[in-house]
Amino acid sequence: DGGITQSPKYLFRKEGQNVTLSCEQNLNHDAMYWYRQDPGQGLRLIYYSQIVNDFQKGDIAEGYSVSREKKESFPLTVTSAQKNPTAFYLCASSSSSYEQYFGPGTRLTVT
Amino acid sequence: RKEVEQDPGPFNVPEGATVAFNCTYSNSASQSFFWYRQDCRKEPKLLMSVYSSGNEDGRFTAQLNRASQYISLLIRDSKLSDSATYLCVVKSAGTYKYIFGTGTRLKVLA
Repeated sequence: DGGITQSPKYLFRKEGQNVTLSCEQNLNHDAMYWYRQDPGQGLRLIYYSQIVNDFQKGDIAEGYSVSREKKESFPLTVTSAQKNPTAFYLCASSSSSYEQYFGPGTRLTVT
Repeated sequence: RKEVEQDPGPFNVPEGATVAFNCTYSNSASQSFFWYRQDCRKEPKLLMSVYSSGNEDGRFTAQLNRASQYISLLIRDSKLSDSATYLCVVKSAGTYKYIFGTGTRLKVLA
C-alpha cells in the first residue's frame, strides 16, 4: 500500500519534555511537510523539505526541529521551547507541482 | 489580508440541495489550485484539483476565475456524507509551499 504513515496516533507528554513525531512515505515524493492544526483553525506550516538533507522553516517553526536524512522520512521534534505544543500534527508529501497527500496525523497533548 | 480566504460557514443545506463555496486568493502568481475535504478529527483528503478550464467529478464541479482571483466548488444533490469542512489550497509556480484556507464547514441535513 502506498501512502504516508504517522506514529503514534495519540501522544501524551509532560511539559518540559522533547517529543519526536514520526512521518514516513513510500510515494517516492521529493517534498515533505509538517503542519499544525488547532481546534477550529486552519493548517499552519511548521517546516518543509524539498530534498534530502535540506529543509526550510515555515510560518511557525519556533520550538520545533526536523531532519531529512532519507527521502522517505521526515521526523518532527517538538521541543520544550514550544510554548503551546498541544495540537493535531499533520505530515504531508508532494511531488513537484502536484497534489499534496496527508498522513493520518498525530494528536499531541502536553500537560 | 489573508493569502487565501474562505467563508467559514457553516452552510446548512437539506439533502439533495445544490451548494457552492468560493475561495479568493491574493497572489496573482498562484498557479495550482485544489479543494480538499476534512472530516472532524481526520486528515485533509484531496477532493479535486482545479484546472483553468474548470472540471467536474461526479456531483462536484470546480471552477477557476483568474481575472477575479477566486476558485469555486459546486456540489449538486448533496448527501449526508458530504458534511465536512472544505479547504481551498493554492500554490505558486516554482515553490513547494501550499497555502491553505481555513475552510468552509458544510452540514447536510436530513
